[in-house]
Amino acid sequence: AQTVTQSQPEMSVQEAETVTLSCTYDTSENNYYLFWYKQPPSRQMILVIRQEAYKQQNATENRFSVNFQKAAKSFSLKISDSQLGDTAMYFCAFRRGSNYQLIWGAGTKLIIKP
Amino acid sequence: DAGVIQSPRHEVTEMGQEVTLRCKPISGHNSLFWYRQTMMRGLELLIYFNNNVPIDDSGMPEDRFSAKMPNASFSTLKIQPSEPRDSAVYFCASSFPPPRTSGKRETQYFGPGTRLLVL
Repeated sequence: AQTVTQSQPEMSVQEAETVTLSCTYDTSENNYYLFWYKQPPSRQMILVIRQEAYKQQNATENRFSVNFQKAAKSFSLKISDSQLGDTAMYFCAFRRGSNYQLIWGAGTKLIIKP
Repeated sequence: DAGVIQSPRHEVTEMGQEVTLRCKPISGHNSLFWYRQTMMRGLELLIYFNNNVPIDDSGMPEDRFSAKMPNASFSTLKIQPSEPRDSAVYFCASSFPPPRTSGKRETQYFGPGTRLLVL
């Protein structure tokens, strides 16, 4: 069975700093997809970034980028120039290529301090 | 373009009452998901519809929970009778299959959620 582990329950950084959230997963599949979702205090679940396992190039969305290490089964999220609005819970999620189900990590609470 | 719409945003009810949560997926999306989020259990998939047909309802907790999707633009999740342990945030999400030639896969887009409190 697939599992997703986020080992950092909570992190706190100063505004404008760079922060990296870790995520590891366990699977025997070769075709899968990885996601980072953000959940701010409003509780809305917002897709931050997505990575296809068959792509070696790390996905990037503006200030958000991932470090995808397929052999190590690691999928960390880097937030550059952090902003107060980045304060949220961040969830890592895994999906098999042939399946609709998302397997979720427990989440990391990120606090950006002014 | 409107995202997934859920109503109500907040619901407070008493134990034993019927609760109906509503969802309007993004236009053109043919997959719809109902999730429940609690502190103890995190995000749980309750039911998945594809083309208005329930494909997987194995996550529905018990017979008190039921979900329908009468058409492509509307779904309901009903709890009858409600219990305090049903208190949670309920999310609806939708997705669509991108063109096969794009090489992309489905991404689930979430609604704002309904915060349910059963007293």
